[in-house]
Amino acid sequence: EVQLVESGGGLVQPGGSLKLSCAASGFTFSTFSVSWVRQAPGKGLEWVSAITVTGITYYADSVKGRVTISKDISKNMVYLEMNSLRVEDTAVYYCAKHLTPHWEIDTFDIWGQGTMVTVSS
Amino acid sequence: DIQMTQSPSTLSASVGDRVTITCRASQSIGSWLAWYQQKPGKAPQLLIYKASSLQSGVPSRFSGSGSETEFTLTISSLQPDDFATYYCQKYSSYSWTFGQGTKVETK
Repeated sequence: EVQLVESGGGLVQPGGSLKLSCAASGFTFSTFSVSWVRQAPGKGLEWVSAITVTGITYYADSVKGRVTISKDISKNMVYLEMNSLRVEDTAVYYCAKHLTPHWEIDTFDIWGQGTMVTVSS
Repeated sequence: DIQMTQSPSTLSASVGDRVTITCRASQSIGSWLAWYQQKPGKAPQLLIYKASSLQSGVPSRFSGSGSETEFTLTISSLQPDDFATYYCQKYSSYSWTFGQGTKVETK
């Protein structure tokens, strides 16, 4: 079964840091790009970051300079390291697998269950 | 940046109704448009990709059309399981942008 499982969310103070993890299974991880998407409570979906098969990274303007996406192919893991967190970063964070192997720019066919990040003092 | 605008924001409908949701892009995006369904507390599910391609396992009552700047999602006969929020998403030019969502609720 193709599956993504996020972890690492929690409560953090403004200005703090957090590292989210996404464990992939059931597919050839090395051939698909992966993105992170977030959803603030009661709000819509916002794409955050993507990492391609070749390791090229992309970021939304709202997080650029504060967030780093990375992956470990040997462990089938994708990470999202977030620094200088703000109250407005509070959201459920989903990792999502891109649809087509080897495509950099694509939509998402498999999503994890999400992990909640709360930024509050 | 390309903006995606959905209409309506909320749609009231009954089981069996034909439902249409519109998504407009502020610039041409070709056919790089997807549609998702999301239920409360759940992750989004891909319905349509490349504007009109039905994702595997999605019922055929869902269909997508359009290109360039105007797109539609149609549910031919609304079923009880279809009451949810729907999002369009553009994927092009090294960025991904969602519409604000359309909630389909019971009339």
